[in-house]
Amino acid sequence: AQRVTQPEKLLSVFKGAPVELKCNYSYSGSPELFWYVQYSRQRLQLLLRHISRESIKGFTADLNKGETSFHLKKPFAQEEDSAMYYCALSGGNQGGKLIFGQGTELSVKP
Amino acid sequence: DTAVSQTPKYLVTQMGNDKSIKCEQNLGHDTMYWYKQDSKKFLKIMFSYNNKELIINETVPNRFSPKSPDKAHLNLHINSLELGDSAVYFCASSQALGFDEQFFGPGTRLTVL
Repeated sequence: AQRVTQPEKLLSVFKGAPVELKCNYSYSGSPELFWYVQYSRQRLQLLLRHISRESIKGFTADLNKGETSFHLKKPFAQEEDSAMYYCALSGGNQGGKLIFGQGTELSVKP
Repeated sequence: DTAVSQTPKYLVTQMGNDKSIKCEQNLGHDTMYWYKQDSKKFLKIMFSYNNKELIINETVPNRFSPKSPDKAHLNLHINSLELGDSAVYFCASSQALGFDEQFFGPGTRLTVL
């Protein structure tokens, strides 16, 4: 079964603390993994994708095929990072659909 | 210069009514999608179209009928609305099918009374 799991519904940290948003997936094949973010009153937008290996706004994510994980990390959280984060996968040959996790709301307190 | 736009932003209607949500993208993309976000913020694919051709129909009730008059538009018509249809509906587009980044619209919040 194709599935993306984000075990934490809400993650609350203080400014300057490290952040890790967990994502595990189940897929029989080689999916592309993404993190999308939705800031308050803004539309859903791509944060990063594993194939590009970029660091965006200080966030990184490493694909671990052995553990089928794609955790999102940032060493020092900022208040402006507060948002809803969605992990998603695409199977490439499945009509382009994104399979989303349940989302994790990140709250960064001052 | 909005990339993906949806109208209306909010839609409140009675059970049994028929309503439409419109989506337009000006990015020149070939592929468009509809997603449904439920009350628990879970996002799920409903449809995808590529060059006006239906690619995915993800076990959506046939009360939902997408229509793509051209590559830049993908409208969603819903017949005989039910309480369970209340959700936020997101339109998205991508350059092509496959691993491309998807660009999302602002969402349409549908409330069925």
